[in-house]
Amino acid sequence: DSGVTQTPKHLITATGQRVTLRCSPRSGDLSVYWYQQSLDQGLQFLIQYYNGEERAKGNILERFSAQQFPDLHSELNLSSLELGDSALYFCASSKDLNTEAFFGQGTRLTVV
Amino acid sequence: AQSVTQLDSHVSVSEGTPVLLRCNYSSSYSPSLFWYVQHPNKGLQLLLKYTSAATLVKGINGFEAEFKKSETSFHLTKPSAHMSDAAEYFCVVIPSGNTGKLIFGQGTTLQVKP
Repeated sequence: DSGVTQTPKHLITATGQRVTLRCSPRSGDLSVYWYQQSLDQGLQFLIQYYNGEERAKGNILERFSAQQFPDLHSELNLSSLELGDSALYFCASSKDLNTEAFFGQGTRLTVV
Repeated sequence: AQSVTQLDSHVSVSEGTPVLLRCNYSSSYSPSLFWYVQHPNKGLQLLLKYTSAATLVKGINGFEAEFKKSETSFHLTKPSAHMSDAAEYFCVVIPSGNTGKLIFGQGTTLQVKP
């Protein structure tokens, strides 16, 4: 158990819908990362937050948004969902900017 | 630009034989380097890390990696493969300078044959 908690574990939703994925980092970790993993694209970095502020942005679509709250948990919002958004979404957290990240078990999103 | 290259997308070994997963990085300064393992439908688990202490790093499950600055390599090894080692392995670098950016290699799938 990495200490990073992601909910829900599985999510099935229809095209056009909106979902929210939640991540609770390890206690004391200030940095949160979001990744998307699919069979055809591999592991893609989406976005990173550090102590509530957006730190880095990767291949995140405009339909996707995220935030990190004062209690340091983070949410990833995916809207106008398409079939191609079906993937595993991972959250990771780290104590600060130059230390190892610990990954949650992921949320498997299926868009039908 | 910093990057990580895993030289093999797929490695196949027999149980009980050595494992070598190769990783080269490019970074202007001394980076932090990591290996992660991902079993099917699971999250990524940290195997080991290098952060400018000893160049030979020991990790979990008998894995180790050697940082070679002259070769800009951080290859992962294990003396004897076990069936449970079959998974995907990622080499990751955090460039120095408080970037906080995790740069992933493309991943290497390790197959272990009985």
